[in-house]
Amino acid sequence: IQMTQSPSTLSASVGDSVTITCRASQTISHYLAWYQQKPGRAPQLLISKASTLESGVPSRFSGSGSGTEFTLTIDSLQPEDFATYFCQHYNNFPYTFGQGTKLDI
Amino acid sequence: QVHLVQSGAEMRRPGASVKVSCKASGYTFTNYGITWVRQAPGQGLEWVGTISSYYDNTYMAENLQDRVTMTRDSSTDTAYIEVTSLRFDDTAIYYCARGSWNYDAGVRHYYMDVWGKGTAVTVSS
Repeated sequence: IQMTQSPSTLSASVGDSVTITCRASQTISHYLAWYQQKPGRAPQLLISKASTLESGVPSRFSGSGSGTEFTLTIDSLQPEDFATYFCQHYNNFPYTFGQGTKLDI
Repeated sequence: QVHLVQSGAEMRRPGASVKVSCKASGYTFTNYGITWVRQAPGQGLEWVGTISSYYDNTYMAENLQDRVTMTRDSSTDTAYIEVTSLRFDDTAIYYCARGSWNYDAGVRHYYMDVWGKGTAVTVSS
């Protein structure tokens, strides 16, 4: 299953709202996770099962979608949100990641 | 508190092997899977494989299954990945991550909720 994220890069300002899209080449039900990665750090889980916010993740992050199309929305961007975001399906093996979306200022 | 502590950086020649460890603490090790993910310099994330909870079934990326072995030792709460016949393009940071799961119709779907800090593996002549 191929996972395609768009856009590859996204420029925004503090306070903006942004949306990242992830499309699967075939249906993955709702088995989609979103991760945030900052330079030199390990990825961090934001959302599982398409829309379940991980404990401790700010509520300005939200996910939606099912089947083949999914979105990650970040409301009211904060300085610490500028990072790279990856989607990943875990519907069946082999799991695959999207290519990433770099969110910069 | 849940932690995954990985072994230190490694450098190998092409054709050699490397084994990376991932020691878990703060949770019941056998109740969760372990997934390995790698990231080549400046690149995205690549799923390498998952070892399941309870039964230690392994699932691997097709392009690596001939050279990768994943194991876990429940007596020490440690998972391992070994990569053999190393190539230059195996140079990457290798992450282990705890596999939490969603259960549906008898199937566990694993997502990665806690990550180790990563182990840098460099293949160089």
